[in-house]
Parts: sequence; C-alpha cells; structure tokens
Amino acid sequence: GAVVSQHPSRVICKSGTSVKIECRSLDFQATTMFWYRQFPKQSLMLMATSNEGSKATYEQGVEKDKFLINHASLTLSTLTVTSAHPEDSSFYICSAPGATNEKLFFGSGTQLSVL
Amino acid sequence: SQQGEEDPQALSIQEGENATMNCSYKTSINNLQWYRQNSGRGLVHLILIRSNEREKHSGRLRVTLDTSKKSSSLLITASRAADTASYFCATDAGGNNRLAFGKGNQVVVIP
Repeated sequence: GAVVSQHPSRVICKSGTSVKIECRSLDFQATTMFWYRQFPKQSLMLMATSNEGSKATYEQGVEKDKFLINHASLTLSTLTVTSAHPEDSSFYICSAPGATNEKLFFGSGTQLSVL
Repeated sequence: SQQGEEDPQALSIQEGENATMNCSYKTSINNLQWYRQNSGRGLVHLILIRSNEREKHSGRLRVTLDTSKKSSSLLITASRAADTASYFCATDAGGNNRLAFGKGNQVVVIP
C-alpha cells in the first residue's frame, strides 16, 4: 500500500521558536494532503487541506499565520508552527488520499512539546 | 455535535471474544470509514462502506451502516491482543476525503 512518511516523530522546542513538520508521499503523488491535530485520548481535528501548487485551505478557527502550510511538490507538504507556545503542544498528523481516492494514508505523527 | 461521533467507550475484552463499537453521525454522507490507531501513531484504514451499502466484511471485520438512523457499527470477531488500539469512524460528506472523525473507542484485548 501507499506510504506516507512524516518527520520528525518528536520535537521539543523552546517557546517562541518555529518548528517545521514534513509529510512525504513515498510511492505515490498527492496533490492534496491533510493536516490534523490530536490531543491526548481525543479525536483528530482537521486543521487544513494542503493543495499542491496553491494556497492551503484552513478550517474555521485555525490561524493561517500560525500554521504555515507549503505544498511545493506532488510528494511533499510541510507544516510550520510559527512562534510556538506551550498551548501549541500537541500530536500533529498528516494524511494523503491513495490512488483510488477513497481512503487516506496517514503519517506516523509528530509529537510537539513546547517548553 | 461533531460528525462521526462514536459512543465513547473503552472496551476491555478477553482474547477470542468479539468487540463491537458504534458510531453515529449527523448529516448525509458519501461514505463512512473506520480507522485504527495504535498509541502515539498514525491511523490505518480498516474498511470503507458507501452510503448505498448496508454491510461489508473484510477478514475479521464486519461493518454495518444504517443511513436512516445515521449510525454504523464495527465488529471485530475473534479478537487478538494485537487488536488493542483506538478505533475511529470517519465520515466523508462530500466525497473529497475531508473526513470528520469521531471520538474514538479504546479497545483493550487481554491475552
């Protein structure tokens, strides 16, 4: 099956720094990728839809200047958490639709801890 | 309420028993999907059922969909310790993969 690689798996940073998370489709092309946020023992909250070659579409309540998304190629989308603060600490996960466009393949997630 | 909202359950069962979890949603859907998540990991797609389907099987999984009641159930038969995970249903209203996930069911299978 399709593989989505997400890095880093874990990052600890100081408050005020920016953190970049990468999501790669390894053996398929993804014109669309999705970014989610998940708090402990809770569901996934869709943050934004990343579109190759165009601007990302953000969900209501998600600050686009805070969570910068870039989808510069058909296999790579990045999420940058700018000026991170402790409240941004969370598990971030990306996904991409497979060839049949009927199911999503997920990255392994990034646990962000902001001190 | 959120789409794809499961009854918040934490199931603890013995290996070999069946595990059943439910999901309810609010609006019309194109399809409903079930995913599994091991602790601290990404999600893995298990099964998809379309809005015009009522039941579907895949290995030890059986999913049902009742669009009149806007509900779905996932049955895992003959559970194994390796089935220990969180299970999420997700609804696709527009057929564009913009999924709405439910709260998840924590399943623990005791060897």
